Amino acid sequence: LAKTTQPISMDSYEGQEVNITCSHNNIATNDYITWYQQFPSQGPRFIIQGYKTKVTNEVASLFIPADRKSSTLSLPRVSLSDTAVYYCLVRPGGSYIPTFGRGTSLIVHP
Amino acid sequence: DGGITQSPKYLFRKEGQNVTLSCEQNLNHDAMYWYRQDPGQGLRLIYYSQIVNDFQKGDIAEGYSVSREKKESFPLTVTSAQKNPTAFYLCASSIDSLGISNEQFFGPGTRLTVL
Repeated sequence: LAKTTQPISMDSYEGQEVNITCSHNNIATNDYITWYQQFPSQGPRFIIQGYKTKVTNEVASLFIPADRKSSTLSLPRVSLSDTAVYYCLVRPGGSYIPTFGRGTSLIVHP
Repeated sequence: DGGITQSPKYLFRKEGQNVTLSCEQNLNHDAMYWYRQDPGQGLRLIYYSQIVNDFQKGDIAEGYSVSREKKESFPLTVTSAQKNPTAFYLCASSIDSLGISNEQFFGPGTRLTVL
């Protein structure tokens, strides 16, 4: 199965905007792209989901180019509590089962 | 109060023993999943079930077994054949696995330690 690719880690400072990009070359035609947040010793939590162009909710924005082979999670004005691992989730073409990427460990510094 | 629960939160077992991890959901979801997470690693799929009385192997099914006799329950047994079972185990559910949405709801996890 095709896998997603994300940066292993990122560092930022409070108040900055953070953009995390995920590559998913084998995404299914009708598949949505979903992002999760995970704190240590907890289950992942849904953040945002989109199909194309741009989606925005109260915590993040998701940008998806026309070819849909990548997506970018944007966290505006991060705080210390945004320190977590962020996962990009898609279902590779032909598969019914979503595949988690390795995740990006975001550390927000004071 | 809908959600997905896992028990116990912490579990210790001796080598050579089988142990069963519980996962229950009251969200009326058709699909359920079991993942394993090792320190500093992502989630790896062990087993999944799209419907009652049916389940499929994921990427790392060896040494594990599951059952899906009821829609709300998807217990995972870690057998003595699993060579390195110490890990954090996460159960999840979704409305269905054939739909467009990837939204999965996760339980709080069970941390298994083999002594």
